This record gives sequence, C-alpha cells and structure tokens, in this order.
Amino acid sequence: AQKVTQAQTEISVVEKEDVTLDCVYETRDTTYYLFWYKQPPSGELVFLIRRNSFDEQNEISGRYSWNFQKSTSSFNFTITASQVVDSAVYFCALSDTGANSKLTFGKGITLSVRP
Amino acid sequence: GAVVSQHPSWVICKSGTSVKIECRSLDFQATTMFWYRQFPKQSLMLMATSNEGSKATYEQGVEKDKFLINHASLTLSTLTVTSAHPEDSSFYICSAKTHADTQYFGPGTRLTVL
Repeated sequence: AQKVTQAQTEISVVEKEDVTLDCVYETRDTTYYLFWYKQPPSGELVFLIRRNSFDEQNEISGRYSWNFQKSTSSFNFTITASQVVDSAVYFCALSDTGANSKLTFGKGITLSVRP
Repeated sequence: GAVVSQHPSWVICKSGTSVKIECRSLDFQATTMFWYRQFPKQSLMLMATSNEGSKATYEQGVEKDKFLINHASLTLSTLTVTSAHPEDSSFYICSAKTHADTQYFGPGTRLTVL
C-alpha cells in the first residue's frame, strides 16, 4: 500500500524567511510519481510539480525548489524568501504509473506567511 | 494549458433534492477523471474514478447509488448527489488526468444541504 506522511501540520513564518515542507512516502512500486499541490484559501488545488521516480535531480523553479532523495523516501519542498501569497495548504502526493493510477495524498501542511 | 473547470462553484439545496456537478477539461481530453470530497481542514478523500464510456469505480464506503457519476465524453464528467442530506454538505473537487499522468484539479464545488 502507498502512504504519504507530512509530519508538519502547521508552519508559520515571517515574510522573506525560507521554509521547507517535508514529505516522506512509502511504496512497493519501483516506478512511481511524486507531486506537490498548493491549495490557497480559494480552494482550488494548483499543480506545482511532478517527479518521476527515476529522476532524482533536484529542481528549482523561481523561489521554489524540490529535493528528491530516494534513499530516505523523501520529497521535500523549499520556498525561498517566502511571501504572504505563499500562505496555503500544501499537499504532497504519490501515484503509481498505471492507466488508472490514483493519487495518495498526505494530510497537508498549512503554511502561514506573516507580513 | 491543462485547465479544468467545475460548475457550479457553490450550491445550496434543500434536503431530499438532487444536485448535479459538472467537471470539464477545457484544453485537453481526459480519459480518466476523479471525484474527491474534502472536509474542512482535512485532506482530499477519493470518491470514485471515472473512465470515459464505462462505469465509474467507487472507493470503499462510497455509495454508488447516492453519488452517480457519468463520464459521457472525453471532456466532461458529472457527479449527481441524489436525495441530498445535510451530511452530504462538503467541498467536492474533480480532477482530470492528462496523457502525462498528471491530475489537474477543478476549482471545487461547495455543497450546502439545508
């Protein structure tokens, strides 16, 4: 069975601080995908990144960066120089690569960025 | 690209009535769509997987006669909550999966049953 653990439930930082959101996953599949989604107060889930299990390269997109470590089954997300607009719930998710693959979500991390 | 719309964004109905929610992939074709339910301050709970032209696959504990799903085209899936009751009040979110195996989500529908 697949499992995603987001041990942090709520994080509060002051604007311009860096913040890392942790994600640890469990799966028996050798091929899988990892995702991060952002859910702002409006409710819509916004896709941030998908990472294939074969690709352990870290990725940077603007202020966002992701660290994928297969050895520790972690896929952590760092926001550099956080902004108030980053305040949201962030979900890490895992899926296999089958035709009807389903997402397994973590419980989400509520990030509050204070001005 | 990869835009998913949902309609309505919110609905208030009386107990016993049925409510239909539409989910559309606007700029891509989606063989597979998903319906989720989310309670306040909780994660998303998958209700069912919807495949175009076939019956939906429901997760354990989800009543298929209560939550009717139809996926008649590659861009449209509908969820009908039949004989809604106050306990069905929730935030319902759909997603559509691209050929690249990424799910894009609709903006959600907030259902309130009085």
